[in-house]
Amino acid sequence: EMQLVESGGDLVQPGGSLRLSCVASGFTFSDHYMDWVRQAPGKGLEWVGRIRSKVHSYITEYAASVEGRFTISRDDSKNSLYLQMSSLKTEDTAVYLCGRLDYHYMDVWGKGTTVTVSS
Amino acid sequence: DIQMTQSPSSLSASVGDRVIITCRASQSISSYLSWHQQKPGKAPKLLIYAASSLQSGVPSRFSGSGSGTDFTLTISSLQPEDFATYYCQQSYSTPITFGQGTRLEIK
Repeated sequence: EMQLVESGGDLVQPGGSLRLSCVASGFTFSDHYMDWVRQAPGKGLEWVGRIRSKVHSYITEYAASVEGRFTISRDDSKNSLYLQMSSLKTEDTAVYLCGRLDYHYMDVWGKGTTVTVSS
Repeated sequence: DIQMTQSPSSLSASVGDRVIITCRASQSISSYLSWHQQKPGKAPKLLIYAASSLQSGVPSRFSGSGSGTDFTLTISSLQPEDFATYYCQQSYSTPITFGQGTRLEIK
């Protein structure tokens, strides 16, 4: 069974940092682009960013709202995806989900991990 | 950025009803459109990709259509497990964008 499990969510103060992880199982992680998506409380889905596969040079792309503050990385040897978040703002409070891309489409999602930014 | 506008934002329907949700893109996205179902506390689930292709394992009562800027998700006969929130998503270009969601409730 293909599965993605996020972890690392926590309560953090504004201006703080946090690193989220997403561990994949049941498929060849290294073959796939991976996305991060977030969902603020009671809101819809917002794309955070993407990392391509090794074949495509691990190129990353970000939403304007997180560009320069968030960094996406991956460790294919550990089947793991990461989201390093810094200079956190209260508006970054959300459930963060990772997703696998198959061609252009996000076909496997995790359940998410909760990040709360508050003093 | 490509804006995705879904309608309606909420919908009350009964088991057995036929339901149509629409999604409009602010510019042409060809067929780079997918539909996802989300239930509270659960991972979203891909239902339809490439505008009209049914994801493996998804019941055939779900169907999608459209291309360019206008798309629809149809549920032919609502089942109790279909009450959830539905999102369209364009993957034509980054930043990837989602519709605001359609909450499907039991009448």
